[in-house]
Amino acid sequence: EVQLVQSGVEVKKSGESLKISCKGSGYTFTSYWIGWVRQMPGKGLEWMGIIYPGDSDARYNPSFQGQGTISADKSTSTAYLQWSSLKASDTGFYFCARVAGDGYSYFDYWGQGTLVSVSS
Amino acid sequence: SYELTQPPSVSVSPGQTARITCSGDALPKQYAHWYQQKPGQAPVLVIYKDNERPSGIPERFSGSSSGTTVTLTISGVQAEDEADYHCQSADTSGLVLFGGGTKLTVL
Repeated sequence: EVQLVQSGVEVKKSGESLKISCKGSGYTFTSYWIGWVRQMPGKGLEWMGIIYPGDSDARYNPSFQGQGTISADKSTSTAYLQWSSLKASDTGFYFCARVAGDGYSYFDYWGQGTLVSVSS
Repeated sequence: SYELTQPPSVSVSPGQTARITCSGDALPKQYAHWYQQKPGQAPVLVIYKDNERPSGIPERFSGSSSGTTVTLTISGVQAEDEADYHCQSADTSGLVLFGGGTKLTVL
């Protein structure tokens, strides 16, 4: 069974750093792109970027450039999203999701989401 | 910049048919996909590549495409279908984007 399990709730202050995780299981982690999607409170979904864990090739939505760095550790089947200096505007839910393997850009499995709360 | 436009809300009585639209200039050339999201939960893929249904998704969910508009149709709506529905596509450079989401209310 394919599963993506994300790390838990984070409560931070502006200026702090943070790294959240997404651990994949039940499939060959290095063979599928993983994406990160933000959802601000009460709002829609926003695509931040994707990474191919096989070679750590990462691509970003230009709208999110500089607002989080995506990485992956294939030895632990884990993808990461990290910030070096959080802002209050980073508050929201962050989902990781697997990109389907048929060459088209849709997400067939999702993590449960990580709530990040940043106070100023 | 390229956008996908959805109505903010759709309301329907149980047993009726709900239709949720998503419009975008690139949709004649790019597939659209649909996700269902219930409160406090992660999105779930319900339709991919305009009209394909993943295993485990009820047959009452279907998708169609016509020109710059794609439509998610839920036939015989049930109370459990009340959720937010998000369309998603990509532009020609591979940039993934989502519509603003539609809240389906079952009256």
